[in-house]
Amino acid sequence: GIQVEQSPPDLILQEGANSTLRCNFSDSVNNLQWFHQNPWGQLINLFYIPSGTKQNGRLSATTVATERYSLLYISSSQTTDSGVYFCAAHTGRRALTFGSGTRLQVQP
Amino acid sequence: NAGVTQTPKFQVLKTGQSMTLQCAQDMNHNSMYWYRQDPGMGLRLIYYSASEGTTDKGEVPNGYNVSRLNKREFSLRLESAAPSQTSVYFCASSDSLRETSARAYEQYFGPGTRLTVT
Repeated sequence: GIQVEQSPPDLILQEGANSTLRCNFSDSVNNLQWFHQNPWGQLINLFYIPSGTKQNGRLSATTVATERYSLLYISSSQTTDSGVYFCAAHTGRRALTFGSGTRLQVQP
Repeated sequence: NAGVTQTPKFQVLKTGQSMTLQCAQDMNHNSMYWYRQDPGMGLRLIYYSASEGTTDKGEVPNGYNVSRLNKREFSLRLESAAPSQTSVYFCASSDSLRETSARAYEQYFGPGTRLTVT
């Protein structure tokens, strides 16, 4: 099946800093999603982005399908951005394969 | 529109006990999924149902059974719980069969069930 790798595994930022999270995947995809898992364990959909670029407020994402990677940009980070960010992908109709996540801590 | 709901939120079982985790979605989605998340890891697929009346094994199906009761509901059963099944369980749904939709494969997750087996 598809392999999904995320980097970096851990990231500590000061409030107001910008960051880039990377997701590499091993095959062409029908679906690629970014999630934020907050400290209470809830999975929040950030982006559905099998290709192209999307923006939502301070967050944006770019997927270059031909080169099999996706990037999540967080600008002007806030303490509420803390948590774990997951990238997940699948091919065909099968369910998502998750990466191991990037744990982000934003310090005031 | 509640999205994906799961019950219970928390559960503690003794080894050997059985229980059923319930999941329901109100988005008229065709496909439903059960995942587990162990500490410090991403989610792994247990079982999925591509459409009403069908179920298939995922990456970690041993020790579990599922039932797609109708289009809305998809339950996960532990027949004889083991400590290795201590985890957080997430249910998800997507509208995968309508592939002409630009967002056909986007999955939406429930709040999770935290299960401890002692």
